Amino acid sequence: EVQLVESGGGLVQPGRSLRLSCRTSGFTFGDYAMSWFRQAPGKGLEWVAFIRSKNQGGTTDYAASVKGRFIMSRDASKPIAYLQMNSLKPEDTAIYYCTRDDPVYDSSAYWGQGTLVTVSS
Amino acid sequence: QSVLTQPPSVSGAPGQRVTISCTGSSSNIGVGYDVHWYQQLPGTAPKLLIYGNNNRPSGVPDRFSGSKSGTSASLAITGLQAEDEADYYCQSYDINLSGSRVFGGGTKLTVL
Repeated sequence: EVQLVESGGGLVQPGRSLRLSCRTSGFTFGDYAMSWFRQAPGKGLEWVAFIRSKNQGGTTDYAASVKGRFIMSRDASKPIAYLQMNSLKPEDTAIYYCTRDDPVYDSSAYWGQGTLVTVSS
Repeated sequence: QSVLTQPPSVSGAPGQRVTISCTGSSSNIGVGYDVHWYQQLPGTAPKLLIYGNNNRPSGVPDRFSGSKSGTSASLAITGLQAEDEADYYCQSYDINLSGSRVFGGGTKLTVL
């Protein structure tokens, strides 16, 4: 059974950093691309970051709103996907979800339960 | 302001058929990118409902169907049930945003 479990969320002051983790099980981690999405309170879904599979080179893409501040990475030995969030802003406040992406259609077939990040002084 | 446009809300009585539209442009749906649909029940993570315009993952009832034409896509739900009450989001990609994944603003489905 595919499982994704996010952790690392919490309350953080503006300008500080936070690292989210997405612990995975039930599939061969290196064979799949992964993504992070977020949902601000009462708002819709927003894509945040994407990392290709090992075979695809493991390169990353980012939404314009986080490019230069967030870094997504993966550790196949764990197997965990990370989201390093730097220079956090109040508008980064959201539930953050990690997903496993379909290799053909790029849809996000599996989602974690989410972890809440609150950026406030 | 979402890149893809969805109606904020739709409603229907049990047993009825409803459709949710997703309107894009020549830089996303119109250029040929696939459309995916997600269902989000209150207080839960989103769930993939339709992928690749009109494909259902295993376990999704055939009451749910998707279609795409030109710069728009649609999600149809037939035989509406109380448990279908949820938020629905369409998602595609946009060539002007370096292939970024883009969403509609979401549609709240109310079962009367």
